[in-house]
Amino acid sequence: AQRVTQPEKLLSVFKGAPVELKCNYSYSGSPELFWYVQYSRQRLQLLLRHISRESIKGFTADLNKGETSFHLKKPFAQEEDSATYYCALLNNNDMRFGAGTRLTVKP
Amino acid sequence: DTGVSQDPRHKITKRGQNVTFRCDPISEHNRLYWYRQTLGQGPEFLTYFQNEAQLEKSRLLSDRFSAERPKGSFSTLEIQRTEQGDSAMYLCASSFSGSRNEQFFGPGTRLTVL
Repeated sequence: AQRVTQPEKLLSVFKGAPVELKCNYSYSGSPELFWYVQYSRQRLQLLLRHISRESIKGFTADLNKGETSFHLKKPFAQEEDSATYYCALLNNNDMRFGAGTRLTVKP
Repeated sequence: DTGVSQDPRHKITKRGQNVTFRCDPISEHNRLYWYRQTLGQGPEFLTYFQNEAQLEKSRLLSDRFSAERPKGSFSTLEIQRTEQGDSAMYLCASSFSGSRNEQFFGPGTRLTVL
């Protein structure tokens, strides 16, 4: 069965420090993976998807099929990055989300 | 309006009552999704429409839940005989089939069942 695991509910870093939000998945096929973000009092929005191999707001995520991971990274965290981040896996039209990691970037 | 809208934003009801939520997707989007989110969890997929056809339903969607999208535009989600366990945020999202699966989310309807 497909499953997305985000092991950290809460993560706190200082401004300028590197940040990594972990995501592991279980899926038998070729996964299509996403990171969504929800800033305070805003709606859920797409941050990036693995097929695009893009960097958005300084964030990148690399799909590692061997480790079944899709960790989100940013070399220098900013206070405006404080939000809840959700890793998601798409199977046909069924999007499975992880439980989310709330990131706090302290000044 | 350029985003997904949901109505109402909040609903408080007594156990056993029926409730109905509405979702208006982005106008050119042919796909519409419903999710449920409880505190501390990510959204859980409930159902999916392509145009007016309901193509997938999660096992989470009990017989008390029904969703419609009669004209392929707005959608409604009805919960009959509500239970306290139905208390959650109900999210709607829409996408266009040529958009590489990017889903745009609405603000959600928060349901509280007393």
